[in-house]
Amino acid sequence: QVQLQQSGAELARPGASVKLSCKASGYTFTSYWMQWVKQRPGQGLEWIGAIYPGDGDTRYTQKFKGKATLTADKSSSTAYMQLSSLASEDSAVYYCARYYYGSSDAMDYWGQGTSVTVSS
Amino acid sequence: DIVLTQSPASLAVSLGQRATISCRASESVDSYGNSFMHWYQQKPGQPPKLLIYRASNLESGIPARFSGSGSRTDFTLTINPVEADDVATYYCQQSNEDPYTFGGGTKLEIK
Repeated sequence: QVQLQQSGAELARPGASVKLSCKASGYTFTSYWMQWVKQRPGQGLEWIGAIYPGDGDTRYTQKFKGKATLTADKSSSTAYMQLSSLASEDSAVYYCARYYYGSSDAMDYWGQGTSVTVSS
Repeated sequence: DIVLTQSPASLAVSLGQRATISCRASESVDSYGNSFMHWYQQKPGQPPKLLIYRASNLESGIPARFSGSGSRTDFTLTINPVEADDVATYYCQQSNEDPYTFGGGTKLEIK
């Protein structure tokens, strides 16, 4: 069965960086886009970007260019998102989600989320 | 960017009644004969769950009480009849054009 297992909660200082992981299992990792979504406490969902592990192609929404860097390790079927120059507004839950291009064309499986807290 | 506007922001419905949530896109999300609009349900403390994909297709395992309709810029999610387990926030999302934007969400409560 498809599973996306995200790394544990992070507590980081302002100005620091964190690298979140999303380990995929139960499907061919290199054949599906992996999306990343941000959710601030009590707020809605915000699309950050996506990576295609097969060839490393990435897409970012303008707001997150320079803030988020998406990578993928085919050998371990793990997608990563590095967030840099952290500020209080980066405190949020971050989700990875598989995007089923050419079928549902939607995010059909989601990780459990990683909470990032930025505080001095 | 395509802006998705959901209405209402919150909704209280009696058990067994119908709930209707709307999502309006700032431009068409249709391409190649498909509407790239999807609906998700999110309960507190949980990740979103895909309910409806490409406007009207029920995701596997989702009860038939959920249905979707619409095309181009106007879409609707209907829950009929509403059950207690449906208390959640519902989001529309488009994947016709990146960035893949979400609507602001509609919180469903039981009256």
